[in-house]
Amino acid sequence: GESVGLHLPTLSVQEGDNSIINCAYSNSASDYFIWYKQESGKGPQFIIDIRSNMDKRQGQRVTVLLNKTVKHLSLQIAATQPGDSAVYFCAETTNDYKLSFGAGTTVTVRA
Amino acid sequence: DVKVTQSSRYLVKRTGEKVFLECVQDMDHENMFWYRQDPGLGLRLIYFSYDVKMKEKGDIPEGYSVSREKKERFSLILESASTNQTSMYLCASSFASFFYEQYFGPGTRLTVT
Repeated sequence: GESVGLHLPTLSVQEGDNSIINCAYSNSASDYFIWYKQESGKGPQFIIDIRSNMDKRQGQRVTVLLNKTVKHLSLQIAATQPGDSAVYFCAETTNDYKLSFGAGTTVTVRA
Repeated sequence: DVKVTQSSRYLVKRTGEKVFLECVQDMDHENMFWYRQDPGLGLRLIYFSYDVKMKEKGDIPEGYSVSREKKERFSLILESASTNQTSMYLCASSFASFFYEQYFGPGTRLTVT
């Protein structure tokens, strides 16, 4: 079946550096791609989304890049802070109310 | 702030028991969702509801049912709990027009023994 997956289960980043979290997807019919952040003991929190007709979208300290040619999605976090330590999930949807989540990447920020 | 609350943070039940998980949201969201989260598998959709008394199956509905009698409340029911339903259960809600921007509750860690 089709799935959304992340390249690496863990990522360790020095505080102040930029983080790049990658995600591969296989459903070329997906309309939206979304990133969620889940801190320890909490539910996931929406970060940013990007439509399939875009290749880049910027938010506050975050940028999402979409490469439809290779079915790749990435989340870039600028100047990573300790509060960015969390599990990051990518998700995709074909506009049918259902989100398909990847397995998640655990980001650890080193002081 | 959007608030999604779940009735319990931790729950321990025995095999065969009927289990009710309750979720309440205070943002007048049309959509509500139930997911389970297991290590290495991400979040998997069990059921969702886009209106009162309306429900749709997600990817893993077997062994579960849901109820939505009021807009703000969405219940997940395990008719006869089994050990393979031990998991973290997450409730979420969203506006109809932005269904992919979901607000999650803190989760209920259910253990079935």
